[in-house]
Amino acid sequence: AQKVTQAQTEISVVEKEDVTLDCVYETRDTTYYLFWYKQPPSGELVFLIRRNSFDEQNEISGRYSWNFQKSTSSFNFTITASQVVDSAVYFCALKASGGSNYKLTFGKGTLLTVNP
Amino acid sequence: DVKVTQSSRYLVKRTGEKVFLECVQDMDHENMFWYRQDPGLGLRLIYFSYDVKMKEKGDIPEGYSVSREKKERFSLILESASTNQTSMYLCASSLIGTTGGVWQPQHFGDGTRLSIL
Repeated sequence: AQKVTQAQTEISVVEKEDVTLDCVYETRDTTYYLFWYKQPPSGELVFLIRRNSFDEQNEISGRYSWNFQKSTSSFNFTITASQVVDSAVYFCALKASGGSNYKLTFGKGTLLTVNP
Repeated sequence: DVKVTQSSRYLVKRTGEKVFLECVQDMDHENMFWYRQDPGLGLRLIYFSYDVKMKEKGDIPEGYSVSREKKERFSLILESASTNQTSMYLCASSLIGTTGGVWQPQHFGDGTRLSIL
């Protein structure tokens, strides 16, 4: 069975602070994919990044960066110099190669509030 | 850009009514999904479809059915709405399988906030 844990239910920071959102996953499959989605107050989930299990390179996109560590089964997301527009619920998700070909397992989400 | 459109942002219905939630995608995606999102529970998969007229149950299919008569449209049906089906419903679509060795992400609509009174 697959599982995604986002231990931080809510995080509140002040603008320009850096913030890291944690994601820990469980799977027995050797091939799997990890995703991060952002859900702003408007409701739509916006795809941010995917990573496959063979690619442990960290990635940076502007103020966003992702740290994938297979040794600790973590795929953490850092926002540098946070802005009010970053306020949203962030979901980490896992797609394993076994089981259903289509199913994504989502974490319960972390609500990030960036205060001015 | 992928566009997934859900027919209503907000919907209020009464207990016992038959409720239809509609979802249309414009990118010729094979896969379509219906989730519900509840506070503290995250997203839970209700049903998904990998082709026209094909469907599979997700984690919480009880009380719901789906219909996919055309590739671009996926409908969620509450046969007899109950108050415990008050929730945010999210539709998503994706290409099938992997492209270039990378699993294709799901793209989501804006959601329908459904209240059953």
